[in-house]
Amino acid sequence: SQQGEEDPQALSIQEGENATMNCSYKTSINNLQWYRQNSGRGLVHLILIRSNEREKHSGRLRVTLDTSKKSSSLLITASRAADTASYFCATDNSGGGADGLTFGKGTHLIIQP
Amino acid sequence: DAGVIQSPRHEVTEMGQEVTLRCKPISGHDYLFWYRQTMMRGLELLIYFNNNVPIDDSGMPEDRFSAKMPNASFSTLKIQPSEPRDSAVYFCASSLTRGLGDQPQHFGDGTRLSIL
Repeated sequence: SQQGEEDPQALSIQEGENATMNCSYKTSINNLQWYRQNSGRGLVHLILIRSNEREKHSGRLRVTLDTSKKSSSLLITASRAADTASYFCATDNSGGGADGLTFGKGTHLIIQP
Repeated sequence: DAGVIQSPRHEVTEMGQEVTLRCKPISGHDYLFWYRQTMMRGLELLIYFNNNVPIDDSGMPEDRFSAKMPNASFSTLKIQPSEPRDSAVYFCASSLTRGLGDQPQHFGDGTRLSIL
């Protein structure tokens, strides 16, 4: 079963606008990661946030984590056409279950020029 | 630095044939992961290795699937016999040390497999 679920499934905005994607998960985690996937390519790591962190920044990216709500958000500011891609959250499992990362099904982001 | 290298990039074959997918991880990475991606099921972890040893293969769908890592720089995922429902994009990823949550995974560009 999916640990992380992204929302929305698809998002289309104008270039220059901000894009916000959300991720909800079910079980306790140590870390949460966000990845980007361009069409026909592999996933690329964007940012990692630990369970004791609430917010993290990397360039135009801002990630928040609310462990009480078991949710995270990824904000891309001042979007560009090159940001068009699918975005995935991935969680580990601190509860002693299966190891490795569990990925959601992703949010497909389209930036209209 | 070279990233994770997968081959072939595309594979089209007839049902029942053996399929072998190959992966060269990033040098120095001691974790290697095989994933399968489909529209319906998203990205699924099939198996992962640590220092060439399979740790968890609970995601391998059936006995038709097998994976090996004979050395630190090479891994294969084999499907025998292949079936149409195996059609998907297969990714290999590698990471450093404890890549199970606190290290980023580095993905190859995948093998797009079509079983006719």
